[in-house]
Amino acid sequence: QLQLQESGPGLVKPSETLSLTCTVSGGSISSSSYYWGWIRQPPGKGLEWIGSTYYSGSTYYNPSLKNRVTIYVDTSKNQFSLKLSSVTAADTAVYYCARQWYSSSWIIDYWGQGTLVTVSS
Amino acid sequence: QSVLTQPPSVSGAPGQRVTISCTGSSSNIGAGYDVHWYQQLPGTAPKLLIYGNNNRPSGVPDRFSGSKSATSASLAITGLQAEDEADYYCQSYDSRLSGSVFGGGTKLTVL
Repeated sequence: QLQLQESGPGLVKPSETLSLTCTVSGGSISSSSYYWGWIRQPPGKGLEWIGSTYYSGSTYYNPSLKNRVTIYVDTSKNQFSLKLSSVTAADTAVYYCARQWYSSSWIIDYWGQGTLVTVSS
Repeated sequence: QSVLTQPPSVSGAPGQRVTISCTGSSSNIGAGYDVHWYQQLPGTAPKLLIYGNNNRPSGVPDRFSGSKSATSASLAITGLQAEDEADYYCQSYDSRLSGSVFGGGTKLTVL
């Protein structure tokens, strides 16, 4: 059974960089069928797609976050990571990592449990 | 403001049928991109409920069904149960934004 687990600091100061890692177990991140992505959910609000990566390193980002986001993959560790720079309080959210595949739009079939990141001094 | 529009809340009594709408535009649902639905129980991660407009992953009861027409989609839940009380999100792809887009979510209350 595929499992995804987010890890990283739960508190980040304003203007600094948020860094999270997702560890994939029960399957290979190098599978040619899947992309790996990040989605976030501010407290009490809806879901927002942040971006996705393929094992080869190709990436797709939400245009509204593109200037601040980097997603990269480490196939040797079966992990992928998110960096979001210049954070503000508006970036406070539960961050989910997930597996995606494409069939006439992206389908997110496995989700991590999510990790709350709070931006505060 | 979400690209896909859902009603903030719906409710129904046990055993009843409820529907949740998801309205998009010509750059997403209307462009032919598939719609997927997710169920988020309180305090948990979203779970894939319907994919490709009307397909259920293994383990999802057939009480849940999806449909799509023109620039909108719907999720129907029949035989409503207390355990169905959750937030429901639709999702598709938007060609103008070049990425996945979600609805704002609908809170289902079982009366």
